[in-house]
Parts: sequence; structure tokens; C-alpha cells
Amino acid sequence: EDKVVQSPLSLVVHEGDTVTLNCSYEVTNFRSLLWYKQEKKAPTFLFMLTSSGIEKKSGRLSSILDKKELFSILNITATQTGDSAIYLCAVTTSYDKVIFGPGTSLSVIP
Amino acid sequence: SQTIHQWPATLVQPVGSPLSLECTVEGTSNPNLYWYRQAAGRGLQLLFYSVGIGQISSEVPQNLSASRPQDRQFILSSKKLLLSDSGFYLCAWARGAPINEQFFGPGTRLTVL
Repeated sequence: EDKVVQSPLSLVVHEGDTVTLNCSYEVTNFRSLLWYKQEKKAPTFLFMLTSSGIEKKSGRLSSILDKKELFSILNITATQTGDSAIYLCAVTTSYDKVIFGPGTSLSVIP
Repeated sequence: SQTIHQWPATLVQPVGSPLSLECTVEGTSNPNLYWYRQAAGRGLQLLFYSVGIGQISSEVPQNLSASRPQDRQFILSSKKLLLSDSGFYLCAWARGAPINEQFFGPGTRLTVL
């Protein structure tokens, strides 16, 4: 059975802290790994990762994939209250199936 | 540009009543379409996905069904709602082969009483 696991499930940090969110997966015919941020309604896209060891970066957010160990991390440096959200990891397969993990709920307090 | 619509935005239904949620996509052809359900504060559970008209893959056996009567229309249905069907339902589309990104609709908040 295809599975995506995220940890921690929830996290509370202070502004300025750095956080690392984890995503591991077991799927058949892996194609890519996606990270999303969900604040109130629909998730918004952050990164797509397909190759091991290549870091994707956007401002204070960065992510990397390890296809040998079947996991990815999402780093957020110098966190701000606007980073408070649910961060979702999803894996796509060669059959165009997209499976999401349970999400990490991040709260950044001033 | 592409847009995705879902309606209604909110819905309150009694247990045992039928359900029909509609999702339509504009500005693209032959999209992959997905239905997800999200419980409060949790991740997205994949319910159904479709790579073409009349092609539906079901991920979770339950009292819900999906249909794709037209290329850019995806419908989620139930004949009799259960309390456990309450949740936030999201429709998404993606360009297939390979999928780079999914684009989500605004969602429907369903409460079954």
C-alpha cells in the first residue's frame, strides 16, 4: 500500500527559529515529491523534487530529496508568524496518482 | 489561464441524504482530476482520481462515488451520507505525464448532521 508519513505532526516555535519538517514515503513507481503550504483553504505549491541531493530554494524555504532513503526535508529559516500553516508533503507516481501525508501543523509565535 | 471551480462552498446535509459536489476546470484540456477529503487539521486523503473521461480510480472503499461525464468536469456523489462523511472536500487538477504540480479548487465544507 502506498504511504506517505510526515513528522512531527505539529510544532510550535518562536519567531526567528529554524525548523525542519520531515517526509518519508513508500510508494510503487515513484515519480516526484511535492511540498505544499495550506493556510486556510486550498494548498499552495512550494516545491517539486525529482532528483536526489539537489536542493530547491525559495527565500527562507528550502527542500531536498533522498531517493535512496526515501525521504525529504523542508527547512524554514528565520521563521515568521506568516509561516504558520499546515505543510503537506505529497508523492506522485508514474500512474499519475498523488498521495498526501498527514501534514505538519506549524505554529510560529511572536 | 487555467481556473478550477468547486461548488457549493459550504453544505449542511442530514444523515441519509444524497450528495453531489461538482468540480470544473477551465483553460486546459485532458487534465488529471482528483477528489480529496481533509479532516480538521489533518492531511489530504485521496478519494478518487481520473486520467480521462469515464476513467475513475477509487482509493478508499466507502459510500462515495465519482464520475467524469465530460473532460473538465468531475463529480463526487453519495446516495446516503454518513456522519463520517463530514469534512473539507478539495478538487484538484494536474497536467499528467509527469505531474509537476496540482492546482486546487477552493473546496467544499460539508457538515453531515
